[in-house]
Amino acid sequence: DAKTTQPPSMDCAEGRAANLPCNHSTISGNEYVYWYRQIHSQGPQYIIHGLKNNETNEMASLIITEDRKSSTLILPHATLRDTAVYYCIVRVDLTGNQFYFGTGTSLTVIP
Amino acid sequence: DTGVSQDPRHKITKRGQNVTFRCDPISEHNRLYWYRQTLGQGPEFLTYFQNEAQLEKSRLLSDRFSAERPKGSFSTLEIQRTEQGDSAMYLCASSDLGSLGNQPQHFGDGTRLSIL
Repeated sequence: DAKTTQPPSMDCAEGRAANLPCNHSTISGNEYVYWYRQIHSQGPQYIIHGLKNNETNEMASLIITEDRKSSTLILPHATLRDTAVYYCIVRVDLTGNQFYFGTGTSLTVIP
Repeated sequence: DTGVSQDPRHKITKRGQNVTFRCDPISEHNRLYWYRQTLGQGPEFLTYFQNEAQLEKSRLLSDRFSAERPKGSFSTLEIQRTEQGDSAMYLCASSDLGSLGNQPQHFGDGTRLSIL
């Protein structure tokens, strides 16, 4: 069963911020939230992960709500190359080894 | 390129044939994972190694599938007596153990298998 819920698709204008939501209402206290993206014919690319504090790297920012039941991935200035399927993942097993990807959000950046 | 490498990138074979895929993880990564991805779906976990030990197997990994990581470095995934339903992208990922166990998995670009 899914641990995360994401909208199936979103559009974003080029140059604007893309805000991708994820609901993980059943997350437990020690589970991290991971974000990946996948461009057609390539493997998933790691973007960012976090536990409870907001995180930022050169690719994106991750905002996690205080109750940890949802998070938002922010691409600050979307480009056409950001068009991809974005997956929000919470590790589903006790050993923390399996990633459950779900079907993700298909983001289309529009010129 | 120091990323995860998979070979071949594409494989076309007839139903009933055996196929073997290779994955070279990022150097020094002691964890290695195999996933399968079908069209329109996210990747699904198949199996996981820590060094040379295979520690987890999904129920998706039928007895026709076998994976090895003999020296704790590269890994192979073999499918025997291939079936139409085996057509998919097979992805390999690796990760460092890390002190907190939260290290991200880094993926290769996969092997796309097509069964005729």
